[in-house]
Amino acid sequence: AQSVTQLGSHVSVSEGALVLLRCNYSSSVPPYLFWYVQYPNQGLQLLLKYTTGATLVKGINGFEAEFKKSETSFHLTKPSAHMSDAAEYFCAVSHSGGYQKVTFGTGTKLQVIP
Amino acid sequence: GAVVSQHPSRVICKSGTSVKIECRSLDFQATTMFWYRQFPKKSLMLMATSNEGSKATYEQGVEKDKFLINHASLTLSTLTVTSAHPEDSSFYICSARGAHRVGLSNTEAFFGQGTRLTVV
Repeated sequence: AQSVTQLGSHVSVSEGALVLLRCNYSSSVPPYLFWYVQYPNQGLQLLLKYTTGATLVKGINGFEAEFKKSETSFHLTKPSAHMSDAAEYFCAVSHSGGYQKVTFGTGTKLQVIP
Repeated sequence: GAVVSQHPSRVICKSGTSVKIECRSLDFQATTMFWYRQFPKKSLMLMATSNEGSKATYEQGVEKDKFLINHASLTLSTLTVTSAHPEDSSFYICSARGAHRVGLSNTEAFFGQGTRLTVV
């Protein structure tokens, strides 16, 4: 079984401030971990993913996430928020070995304050 | 990345009618497609997984006869909501996992733009 917990359904940051979106996962086997972004009435766009190898993963738009096995976490960060980062972010987990059934977290809505 | 096109983006239908949503992989062959439903302010709920040429595998609690999924080719899957009712109003999203293209990872699925279904 696998699950994802995203702490905080809403996060507000000032423009230029650090963005930190938290994600903890549960998986009985080595996980693949993903962060997706969703803009209103649109599908999901992959920001970054961790499969194997380096635990610090860099994605698009300046985002990065670090896989910490001991903490079962995969938090998403960005050093400086931009207004265009305002969106909903989903953390997701699937079993390793290919893109199998993916379980999504409940999402975190990021608000960027000018 | 690869491109998945979902059509229509929005549809309004009358209660009791059926609606078909298409999901196409434009530049790769989608061996597996996934259909999700997203409720307002909620996460994505996987409805079913379909592999080309075989019957879809539905998640527990999803009515097979209500949500008909067809994956007849490597580039097209369809979801038909039969006898739609207002409670079926939702945002439906497909994603596709591909193969047979250099550089296309099987560790990632690509999402369509979603379809906003409103049943009145």
